[in-house]
Amino acid sequence: DAGVTQSPTHLIKTRGQQVTLRCSPKSGHDTVSWYQQALGQGPQFIFQYYEEEERQRGNFPDRFSGHQFPNYSSELNVNALLLGDSALYLCASRISMDTQYFGPGTRLTVL
Amino acid sequence: AQSVTQPDIHITVSEGASLELRCNYSYGATPYLFWYVQSPGQGLQLLLKYFSGDTLVQGIKGFEAEFKRSQSSFNLRKPSVHWSDAAEYFCAVLYAGNMLTFGGGTRLMVKP
Repeated sequence: DAGVTQSPTHLIKTRGQQVTLRCSPKSGHDTVSWYQQALGQGPQFIFQYYEEEERQRGNFPDRFSGHQFPNYSSELNVNALLLGDSALYLCASRISMDTQYFGPGTRLTVL
Repeated sequence: AQSVTQPDIHITVSEGASLELRCNYSYGATPYLFWYVQSPGQGLQLLLKYFSGDTLVQGIKGFEAEFKRSQSSFNLRKPSVHWSDAAEYFCAVLYAGNMLTFGGGTRLMVKP
C-alpha cells in the first residue's frame, strides 16, 4: 500500500512565476491537507480539502489556491511567487477524524 | 488561539542515554496531541498520538509520551537513545478537528 506521494520532489522558480504541486493521498483517504514548512520552522497549515471543496484555510493569502479531484488527489497552486514562498510543501491525508499521514514533500526554491 | 511550544531548540545526548523532549500547548478544549519525527529532507513520520484514555501512550521506535492536563504538557521520552534517533521532533495539537498546529521543533543530536 503506497503512502502519500508528492510531485515533483524539487522545483526551482523565479519571482512572479506560478507553480503547481501535486499530491496523491494514501489509499482510502478522502481528506487532503497542505502545509508549508520554512527552513528551521515547524509546518504551517495552508488549507484542507474534503469532497472536492476547501474545508478550512490557514493564514495564507489568496495567491495560494488548491483543488481536489474526484479520486481525492490534490493540487496546490501558488501565483506571483515571492522569495518568501521558498519552503518544503507537505501534503497530508487522512480518513475523516483519523490521524494525518504526511508525504515526503516538495522542496520549492524561488530565486 | 491555540499554540504549541517546544522550549528546547537543540538537544544533544549520548547514545544509550535517556531522552525527554518537552512540549507545552495552549488550547481551550480537550486536545488531540501528536509527536512527529522528521529526518533531514524528509516528510513527517508519526511517532505517537493521544486522543483520550490512558495518559501514558506508547509509540513506535520505543518512544512514549505522557499527557499532563494540569501542566498542559505532552513530553516525549525514550529510555535509551540510538544514533538513528538523530532527527527533528515536532509536537502538534489538532485544532478545530482539521488543522494541526505544530511547535517549532527540537533538533536531537546523538553523540557516539
